[in-house]
Amino acid sequence: DADVTQTPRNRITKTGKRIMLECSQTKGHDRMYWYRQDPGLGLRLIYYSFDVKDINKGEISDGYSVSRQAQAKFSLSLESAIPNQTALYFCATSDFGSLGQETQYFGPGTRLLVL
Amino acid sequence: GQSLEQPSEVTAVEGAIVQINCTYQTSGFYGLSWYQQHDGGAPTFLSYNALDGLEETGRFSSFLSRSDSYGYLLLQELQMKDSASYFCAVRASGSARQLTFGSGTQLTVLP
Repeated sequence: DADVTQTPRNRITKTGKRIMLECSQTKGHDRMYWYRQDPGLGLRLIYYSFDVKDINKGEISDGYSVSRQAQAKFSLSLESAIPNQTALYFCATSDFGSLGQETQYFGPGTRLLVL
Repeated sequence: GQSLEQPSEVTAVEGAIVQINCTYQTSGFYGLSWYQQHDGGAPTFLSYNALDGLEETGRFSSFLSRSDSYGYLLLQELQMKDSASYFCAVRASGSARQLTFGSGTQLTVLP
């Protein structure tokens, strides 16, 4: 079973609709992240959470909100979807190694199309 | 803030060696990481450098020069399955210390 799962894997919605992307992890990590990926722009951080009570905005948080329901669950909401939010969305968790290196573990991604 | 630059595309033939460069600008620095992503799939961790020098993991090596704010990923004995996007990422110091990713290098391995 995958350690980081995302639902749905694909979603088509219309402008103005509210949608939620869900992420669950079985790795027991405190840190969770939401990224979006657009062609040629790499991964951009939307929101991140270092534990259930600690949620922070990332580079591109406008138009998004998140909820950390439990250590294992971190949801991303688009309150009123717009076409330029069409992208590939990744959830990730992370831990730290003995040398201080942070390793991020990504979910399979959600392809979102906003019409 | 942080910024990273890496080439957008690199092409090489099977069996060859390829180097993907990454230069970064950051206020404070903890380390440079590399991730691989196949065809829009989940990125996966490849390597991490916190100190100057070369780290080797099988066919892949990663190098860091902190004084030059520069690193590279070296892929040897290229295989078709190495065709993928490769991202460098920097972890900066500060209270947040989250990763910032480069825009990625698309590696195409030709037969």
